[in-house]
Amino acid sequence: KAGVTQTPRYLIKTRGQQVTLSCSPISGHRSVSWYQQTPGQGLQFLFEYFSETQRNKGNFPGRFSGRQFSNSRSEMNVSTLELGDSALYLCASSWGQGYYGYTFGSGTRLTVV
Amino acid sequence: DQQVKQNSPSLSVQEGRISILNCDYTNSMFDYFLWYKKYPAEGPTFLISISSIKDKNEDGRFTVFLNKSAKHLSLHIVPSQPGDSAVYFCAAGTYGQNFVFGPGTRLSVLP
Repeated sequence: KAGVTQTPRYLIKTRGQQVTLSCSPISGHRSVSWYQQTPGQGLQFLFEYFSETQRNKGNFPGRFSGRQFSNSRSEMNVSTLELGDSALYLCASSWGQGYYGYTFGSGTRLTVV
Repeated sequence: DQQVKQNSPSLSVQEGRISILNCDYTNSMFDYFLWYKKYPAEGPTFLISISSIKDKNEDGRFTVFLNKSAKHLSLHIVPSQPGDSAVYFCAAGTYGQNFVFGPGTRLSVLP
């Protein structure tokens, strides 16, 4: 069964630009969560979508947004990129609400120059 | 304010010996805990979990211990193997809320 697919794997953008990252969850998984990983900060929670609705949101500025489509695929958008947005962005899917462990994708490495 | 802490950024262990990775949390509402392992250029992969109704869960070489009163959990790997070298994240959560991850501990198992 296919895993969580994130595209693109690598991205280089210029400060001030915007970027859209994509995540396709495991078939049947309805919850998609996004995390930012930077050295020393671990995995910082961005937001979670379940059945096209944002269910939880982390402590990130409004430049970070997301959405989920009816097929559970999700996109994350970052506008007005800053140098500090350079990170590995990980998407994780799970079956639903509750104590379901996440399955992570391999991530998108974003570099802002 | 970090709700989940992994105070050792790195740990080195000899092959065949025990690796002990520690994790502390501050939120007493957390009642389910996960450990993930991450290799470079890959996403984290699930290792083992424990709920607050237990104090120990074992899966092969991996055992997680939970001390609720101390808000502390630990992951034991016995025996450690070079392939265990990775970054280990602990995560804590409660029903309906997303898991909060710690900053990770880089484990190096030396041959």
